[in-house]
Amino acid sequence: GAGVSQSPSNKVTEKGKDVELRCDPISGHTALYWYRQRLGQGLEFLIYFQGNSAPDKSGLPSDRFSAERTGESVSTLTIQRTQQEDSAVYLCASSFQGALHNEQFFGPGTRLTVL
Amino acid sequence: DQQVKQNSPSLSVQEGRISILNCDYTNSMFDYFLWYKKYPAEGPTFLISISSIKDKNEDGRFTVFLNKSAKHLSLHIVPSQPGDSAVYFCAASSNTGNQFYFGTGTSLTVIP
Repeated sequence: GAGVSQSPSNKVTEKGKDVELRCDPISGHTALYWYRQRLGQGLEFLIYFQGNSAPDKSGLPSDRFSAERTGESVSTLTIQRTQQEDSAVYLCASSFQGALHNEQFFGPGTRLTVL
Repeated sequence: DQQVKQNSPSLSVQEGRISILNCDYTNSMFDYFLWYKKYPAEGPTFLISISSIKDKNEDGRFTVFLNKSAKHLSLHIVPSQPGDSAVYFCAASSNTGNQFYFGTGTSLTVIP
């Protein structure tokens, strides 16, 4: 399978707990994006990686959110002290070279539910 | 601040007829536009794109029209097929930024 994969597919957690969401991009894709989609809303940009660096973190909604990428491959999005408003589908996408005019390939998403 | 808007949350069309999905944007710096299609429990998949130097791009049954003066684009699907039933997202970007801005999506139902 050469597509973007994400794990877990579903995560239910209690308010106040930390969660880690994983993204495995397509091999060779240097750019990686995280988005969030709340119920009934569009895709909300969170963060963009070029290689292992994150030149644009402007979409992270609070300091409870952080992300890292290693080996120009896998990325982890961490949400600390989760709140109910963090409940959403978290989508990861990757693209070749990161040029904006390159198509982004999306993973299936992780559905996070905070009780 | 929603820079890309899809004002119709849903649309129903008879099989064989034309589906027209609309998208409006506010940022005049946007110069590249895409449509993504999303089935339930799957990530969005790229459908078609258009650069601001064009006003039309066609790929099989799918055509995207861009009206820069109106800051409006539309996706036409003809003839519509039941397998086209999905949520369609419009997205826009500029060459000065690092991200795509997505609309809220339009859920298309093609009735057999």
